Amino acid sequence: GDSVTQMEGPVTLSEEAFLTINCTYTATGYPSLFWYVQYPGEGLQLLLKATKADDKGSNKGFEATYRKETTSFHLEKGSVQVSDSAVYFCALNSGAGSYQLTFGKGTKLSVIP
Amino acid sequence: DGGITQSPKYLFRKEGQNVTLSCEQNLNHDAMYWYRQDPGQGLRLIYYSQIVNDFQKGDIAEGYSVSREKKESFPLTVTSAQKNPTAFYLCASSTLLTSGRETQYFGPGTRLLVL
Repeated sequence: GDSVTQMEGPVTLSEEAFLTINCTYTATGYPSLFWYVQYPGEGLQLLLKATKADDKGSNKGFEATYRKETTSFHLEKGSVQVSDSAVYFCALNSGAGSYQLTFGKGTKLSVIP
Repeated sequence: DGGITQSPKYLFRKEGQNVTLSCEQNLNHDAMYWYRQDPGQGLRLIYYSQIVNDFQKGDIAEGYSVSREKKESFPLTVTSAQKNPTAFYLCASSTLLTSGRETQYFGPGTRLLVL
């Protein structure tokens, strides 16, 4: 079945540091890939997505590139801010009429001033 | 503003009691979903619905029930058969395409606690 593996957290960074959160996947079809962010006590917000190989999703300074050869979708940001502190979830939809999102376990990011 | 509302924000359940979580959306989305989130875990799908009066079980449907009488509404009932209901419950909705590229939009969640 489909699965998503994210790097274990928590991750603590100083403000303006470079961020990478690794995400790899296994999927039966040709999946679409998503990054969601969850701020404390809130629901999930879509951060970015990519729907085909070599696509780069980007939003708010975050980027992730769909790498089919390595089955990866790593999240990066060049300079994190305190306001980026949240839990980040990688997810996939395997497509072909599937409406189910498969989530990773989430990576908690804390950014300190 | 378009969006998804969930109520209540916090819900307390006594032993043997059924409780119902509300989810309403005004995005004109056909598909709606219920997920459960436990600490340190990803989200797991409970039920989903693609059309009014139709719904399908997800990975962890036991102890839960749903209805879809209106396009805008998809309430979730946590029954007394669910022995470990303490969790954060998230409702989502999306357009209904066959590509799998649809984005699911999430509500703010309901935290269910057992007394």
